[in-house]
Amino acid sequence: AQSVAQPEDQVNVAEGNPLTVKCTYSVSGNPYLFWYVQYPNRGLQFLLKYITGDNLVKGSYGFEAEFNKSQTSFHLKKPSALVSDSALYFCAVRAGLRGNTPLVFGKGTRLSVIA
Amino acid sequence: DAMVIQNPRYQVTQFGKPVTLSCSQTLNHNVMYWYQQKSSQAPKLLFHYYDKDFNNEADTPDNFQSRRPNTSFCFLDIRSPGLGDAAMYLCATGGTAGETQYFGPGTRLLVL
Repeated sequence: AQSVAQPEDQVNVAEGNPLTVKCTYSVSGNPYLFWYVQYPNRGLQFLLKYITGDNLVKGSYGFEAEFNKSQTSFHLKKPSALVSDSALYFCAVRAGLRGNTPLVFGKGTRLSVIA
Repeated sequence: DAMVIQNPRYQVTQFGKPVTLSCSQTLNHNVMYWYQQKSSQAPKLLFHYYDKDFNNEADTPDNFQSRRPNTSFCFLDIRSPGLGDAAMYLCATGGTAGETQYFGPGTRLLVL
């Protein structure tokens, strides 16, 4: 069975500084990895994904993530944080791409960007 | 714009009074999912429809049912809501070879 770990409940960063939100995964076979962001009282918004190919994935709003197979990690990064990036971030993994393959979420990391 | 729409955004119901939440999509995706999310926890998959095939998660209570009358619409029925069912309910869609799931804005359910 697949699983995702987000080891930090909360990440605090000053505006303008780089940010990292950590994610490690466990899956048998090839992993398909996703990051979503959730603002208060809203649904999940897709940020980026790794399916295959280049290990560095670029997504929405200046976010990027690096797939590291040896460390089974998929950390989310941004070179310069904005106050508006403050939200709840979820990492997720699928063990396959068929529509009935479940998306398994980590417990989420709350990012707080301080002005 | 293609999107996933959920109505209502907020729903208040009484303990034991049936409630129906609605989801519609303009993405023409084969798969529609319902998740339950409690107080900023990870979304928990309740069930999904793959076309007309209903797939229930093993730990989804019988109190939760779903209907998908056509490709565009999917409903979540809670037959007898309890206080513990108060949560955000998220609908999502994905294609047959769906890599990305796209989520609606959610319906926040309050049970009095």
